[in-house]
Amino acid sequence: DADVTQTPRNRITKTGKRIMLECSQTKGHDRMYWYRQDPGLGLRLIYYSFDVKDINKGEISDGYSVSRQAQAKFSLSLESAIPNQTALYFCATSDSSFSGANVLTFGAGSRLTVL
Amino acid sequence: QQPVQSPQAVILREGEDAVINCSSSKALYSVHWYRQKHGEAPVFLMILLKGGEQKGHEKISASFNEKKQQSSLYLTASQLSYSGTYFCGTESTGTASKLTFGTGTRLQVTL
Repeated sequence: DADVTQTPRNRITKTGKRIMLECSQTKGHDRMYWYRQDPGLGLRLIYYSFDVKDINKGEISDGYSVSRQAQAKFSLSLESAIPNQTALYFCATSDSSFSGANVLTFGAGSRLTVL
Repeated sequence: QQPVQSPQAVILREGEDAVINCSSSKALYSVHWYRQKHGEAPVFLMILLKGGEQKGHEKISASFNEKKQQSSLYLTASQLSYSGTYFCGTESTGTASKLTFGTGTRLQVTL
């Protein structure tokens, strides 16, 4: 089984619908992240969480919300999806065991298409 | 602000060398390098810390110039398996734990 599991892997939805992308991990890491990948733009940080009670906005949080239900679960929601949120979404986890720096382990990605 | 990577793309023949550069406008705590193959998730390659500590891949090397906020990834005697998109990620001093990625360098290794 994968260390970081994302569901769904692919989703097609319509403008205005509410969408939730889920992420769960078995690595025991405290830190979890949601990134969005668009061609030519790299990976951009949406939200990140250092523990269940700590949620932080990333570079592009507008239009998104998150929930950290437990140490192992971190969900990303699009309250009212719009076409420019069509992208590949990655969840990642890290710990700070290497001198405080973060080595990320990524999930397989969730491809979202908003029509 | 995203770090800047160069070149954007490079094509190599198997056995040739390549250098990928990453530059930031912020004071850095660490630089990370990840590789993403087509249709897959990014995978960690190397991390270099301010002060010289590093951890990474046995066949890939990198440097970190703390004064210039620049890092370079050195791919020597490239193999077909090195093909993919390489991303640098940076943690700025004062904002450690938040990794900001560059836009990527696409590397293609041919026979």
